[in-house]
Amino acid sequence: EAQVTQNPRYLITVTGKKLTVTCSQNMNHEYMSWYRQDPGLGLRQIYYSMNVEVTDKGDVPEGYKVSRKEKRNFPLILESPSPNQTSLYFCASSGGGSYGYTFGSGTRLTVV
Amino acid sequence: SQKIEQNSEALNIQEGKTATLTCNYTNYSPAYLQWYRQDPGRGPVFLLLIRENEKEKRKERLKVTFDTTLKQSLFHITASQPADSATYLCALGSGGYNKLIFGAGTRLAVHP
Repeated sequence: EAQVTQNPRYLITVTGKKLTVTCSQNMNHEYMSWYRQDPGLGLRQIYYSMNVEVTDKGDVPEGYKVSRKEKRNFPLILESPSPNQTSLYFCASSGGGSYGYTFGSGTRLTVV
Repeated sequence: SQKIEQNSEALNIQEGKTATLTCNYTNYSPAYLQWYRQDPGRGPVFLLLIRENEKEKRKERLKVTFDTTLKQSLFHITASQPADSATYLCALGSGGYNKLIFGAGTRLAVHP
């Protein structure tokens, strides 16, 4: 089944403790992206990648890092999480053309 | 700055009627526009893409229009069903598939 897999689905952590949210897609897509979704603000892009080793900042990159060492994986790293990073996070991938993004199931992160 | 506006109030309609959702944008010249459906606690699901040189696109009971002069897209669901109840997001992109900007979404409720 074609899908984007994120892990974990739920995570509660403490301020300052480094964490990684994994994202993997099995569709051989070139484009991958991370979004966060907050009530009333909609989906905001954190980082995106156009291919292996090619990444760039989205609209809200502060406090986040990404890497794209393999085509299928695009992990999101929070080096020192803070409470304002409490949010619902989505990873997505696309092959371009007339196809939209395929989203993962989301990771609900709470930083206390 | 770029801005995308979708009706923040929920749209309530009767089963069998046509639902029409609006997406307006400013300070942007998108090359394409996408519509997604999102159910509570789940990732968005891609529905349709329309390019700047296309006026209208259809897929089964869905129809999207794109007016670059008015800077507006309309999303129609004909013969609506309670199963169509969800939040619908519009997203604008330019050039490649790297930068996709989402609206906050409109919640649609179809009543039997």
